[in-house]
Amino acid sequence: AQSVTQLGSHVSVSEGALVLLRCNYSSSVPPYLFWYVQYPNQGLQLLLKYTSAATLVKGINGFEAEFKKSETSFHLTKPSAHMSDAAEYFCAVSDKGAQKLVFGQGTRLTINP
Amino acid sequence: DAGVIQSPRHEVTEMGQEVTLRCKPISGHDYLFWYRQTMMRGLELLIYFNNNVPIDDSGMPEDRFSAKMPNASFSTLKIQPSEPRDSAVYFCASSARGGSLSYTFGSGTRLTVV
Repeated sequence: AQSVTQLGSHVSVSEGALVLLRCNYSSSVPPYLFWYVQYPNQGLQLLLKYTSAATLVKGINGFEAEFKKSETSFHLTKPSAHMSDAAEYFCAVSDKGAQKLVFGQGTRLTINP
Repeated sequence: DAGVIQSPRHEVTEMGQEVTLRCKPISGHDYLFWYRQTMMRGLELLIYFNNNVPIDDSGMPEDRFSAKMPNASFSTLKIQPSEPRDSAVYFCASSARGGSLSYTFGSGTRLTVV
């Protein structure tokens, strides 16, 4: 079964610093990959998705992620953190042609002033 | 569109009582998913429907849980009888056919069983 591993349950960065959230997937066949964000007391919102087009995917709020098959990774980055980026971030995976997503355990991002 | 609508937002009930959670998906979306979120287990898929038909219920914890989708605009998740370990946030999400897998999540129902 497909799965994703998010390295680091909690990441803390300073405002203006680079944000890097790590996600590795387990599959010999490149799947579909997603990043979602969850703000307190809200549902999840889609940030970006990889569906086998360009390997560098740009999302909302200045986030982007790069699909690296050789590393089975799909790390999320943002060049300059903003206070409003504080939230929980989830990586998710799905087999191509399937409709259900499997989520990672989440990474809580804290932004220090 | 108002998005995926879940009710109630919060539910506190006593152990042994029946609990019903409700979801209205986005109009035109033909997939509906129920997830449960806890600190210990993260986000777990409980069940999903396609065109109102349950496709995969392998994530439903036990027979105390049941889900229905009587029409394209309404789904329920029922727990009977409820237990304290059922305390969690339950999310409903919907998506459209086409392989895009862009789920739209509701705001969730926070269930507390005392």
